[in-house]
Amino acid sequence: AQSVAQPEDQVNVAEGNPLTVKCTYSVSGNPYLFWYVQYPNRGLQFLLKYITGDNLVKGSYGFEAEFNKSQTSFHLKKPSALVSDSALYFCAVRTYSDSNYQLIWGAGTKLIIKP
Amino acid sequence: EAGVAQSPRYKIIEKRQSVAFWCNPISGHATLYWYQQILGQGPKLLIQFQNNGVVDDSQLPKDRFSAERLKGVDSTLKIQPAKLEDSAVYLCASSYGLGDYEQYFGPGTRLTVT
Repeated sequence: AQSVAQPEDQVNVAEGNPLTVKCTYSVSGNPYLFWYVQYPNRGLQFLLKYITGDNLVKGSYGFEAEFNKSQTSFHLKKPSALVSDSALYFCAVRTYSDSNYQLIWGAGTKLIIKP
Repeated sequence: EAGVAQSPRYKIIEKRQSVAFWCNPISGHATLYWYQQILGQGPKLLIQFQNNGVVDDSQLPKDRFSAERLKGVDSTLKIQPAKLEDSAVYLCASSYGLGDYEQYFGPGTRLTVT
């Protein structure tokens, strides 16, 4: 079965430190991978995506993600965390089945940045 | 560029009542999605439109939920009758097309069924 896993419910990081939010996937074929962020009481916002090419993808707000095919991972990273980065982060993978494209979503990881 | 608009932002109804949500996608986006997000979980796709046609409604509880996208632009999602377990945030999203295009989300409608 095709799936996305975010193994950490919550990640705590001190402001200024690097952060990593983990995502692993299981899909048939080449994966199209996405990261979205949800700030409190707001809708989901697109951060970045990997389709093909360079394994390191840069996105909004200084975030980047590294695609690792051998480890089937797509971890989200930022070199220096800000308090304003505190939010809920979702990883998603595009699948194609029954002639339809769908996004399979992870359960989300709550990121807390402490001053 | 205007974002995805949704209304209302909040709605409180009693069980067995009906409710409707409205969504206006980003201009030029052919694909529109309705998601249900329960607190602490990822979004669950309810229905996906490509222009005014349904692409996927496999997870839509069709005995109580319905959706339409007349003229391939605005969309409405209706629940009739509502159940307690329908309490959730209903998110509308749009994208330029199917496939690898990112989705843009509206602010959502928080539904409370009492």
